[in-house]
Amino acid sequence: DQQVKQNSPSLSVQEGRISILNCDYTNSMFDYFLWYKKYPAEGPTFLISISSIKDKNEDGRFTVFLNKSAKHLSLHIVPSQPGDSAVYFCAARGKISNFGNEKLTFGTGTRLTIIP
Amino acid sequence: DAGITQSPRYKITETGRQVTLMCHQTWSHSYMFWYRQDLGHGLRLIYYSAAADITDKGEVSDGYVVSRSKTENFPLTLESATRSQTSVYFCASSEPLSRGPYEQYFGPGTRLTVT
Repeated sequence: DQQVKQNSPSLSVQEGRISILNCDYTNSMFDYFLWYKKYPAEGPTFLISISSIKDKNEDGRFTVFLNKSAKHLSLHIVPSQPGDSAVYFCAARGKISNFGNEKLTFGTGTRLTIIP
Repeated sequence: DAGITQSPRYKITETGRQVTLMCHQTWSHSYMFWYRQDLGHGLRLIYYSAAADITDKGEVSDGYVVSRSKTENFPLTLESATRSQTSVYFCASSEPLSRGPYEQYFGPGTRLTVT
């Protein structure tokens, strides 16, 4: 059962426009959400995060919105740049083990292509 | 060099062989993780460790073994490799959220092909 879902495998956006990447989750115990960016042949790199007690977090061109009632979060990139072309993973943190709660559950990723 | 490294970066092995993927981090992070990335599945957790000598299974642990005798190393062993274990493997490390902003830091990955 996929607890974190990214329903759009790919997205193409014109350079300078807004990119919106979406993520849905099913587990209400998740308390922290993160977005990672991945270039080919590299490991994922952290982009931005949000605690479940907030509904928005902004860092430069990147903003993450959290709608807890809908169990939905989104990443907005404004303005989009060619270097933003990558695979974006949504991840959620929550206690799902016998000890600690530091594990992340990842979505399947969305490939973002910025068209010059 | 500071950071998290993985070796080898590429590996081709035959079905039934034992393979060990290495992971080393220089930050002294408490937590370490192994993931595999497959098309259509994203990143799936294989094993993780909260500290030296403390490990636990993730969602896809069958056929894999880990150990963590030192904080900085977290090797992953495929006991008898199968074709279904062909994948890209990522190691990651982190500190608990209680110690500050939480994120996992990933290594560059190991591309494993089982023939």
